[in-house]
Amino acid sequence: QKEVEQDPGPLSVPEGAIVSLNCTYSNSAFQYFMWYRQYSRKGPELLMYTYSSGNKEDGRFTAQVDKSSKYISLFIRDSQPSDSATYLCAMILANAGGTSYGKLTFGQGTILTVHP
Amino acid sequence: EPEVTQTPSHQVTQMGQEVILRCVPISNHLYFYWYRQILGQKVEFLVSFYNNEISEKSEIFDDQFSVERPDGSNFTLKIRSTKLEDSAMYFCASSSYAGGLKLFFGSGTQLSVL
Repeated sequence: QKEVEQDPGPLSVPEGAIVSLNCTYSNSAFQYFMWYRQYSRKGPELLMYTYSSGNKEDGRFTAQVDKSSKYISLFIRDSQPSDSATYLCAMILANAGGTSYGKLTFGQGTILTVHP
Repeated sequence: EPEVTQTPSHQVTQMGQEVILRCVPISNHLYFYWYRQILGQKVEFLVSFYNNEISEKSEIFDDQFSVERPDGSNFTLKIRSTKLEDSAMYFCASSSYAGGLKLFFGSGTQLSVL
């Protein structure tokens, strides 16, 4: 079983739609969860991070973590054409040996297109 | 906003040749990383570097790879003898402190090994 699974899409939605992006993971030692956005020919850019179950909101973006189900989500409200990009989930392990900050395990990425 | 700069944006080399990929991290950052992404695959961690030492490396980062911070501004990844399977996009990243979850990525160097 892959450590982090993410549906690559592609996902195409009309402007203004609510977008739901998801990842599942298998290792319960993942404790820090991030969402990155990657535009074409650019590096990943951090959107949000969280380290606890529950919701975290930042403007039109909401990150949700359910550690019991090993499932994380990113919701985008009122989606805009400028949101068209690849969205990557990423996670960091933390266990008795310590936390590997900076060693991110990424999902495959979901390609999102928001059309006007 | 400060950014991580990578050069060149695209590098073509012959199999067996040595290549050096260059990065200029954000100036007050102390932790540096290399990641790579083979076409159609996930972004993968290669190595982390702090205080002129490798902090952690993945199994991908074998003896053919090395990293260096030759001066106060550059961070390099050297591949000693390139293989076809080294063809990938290589991303440099930096962060300001170890506990920081915010990595800043460069735009990448596309390495093509022929």
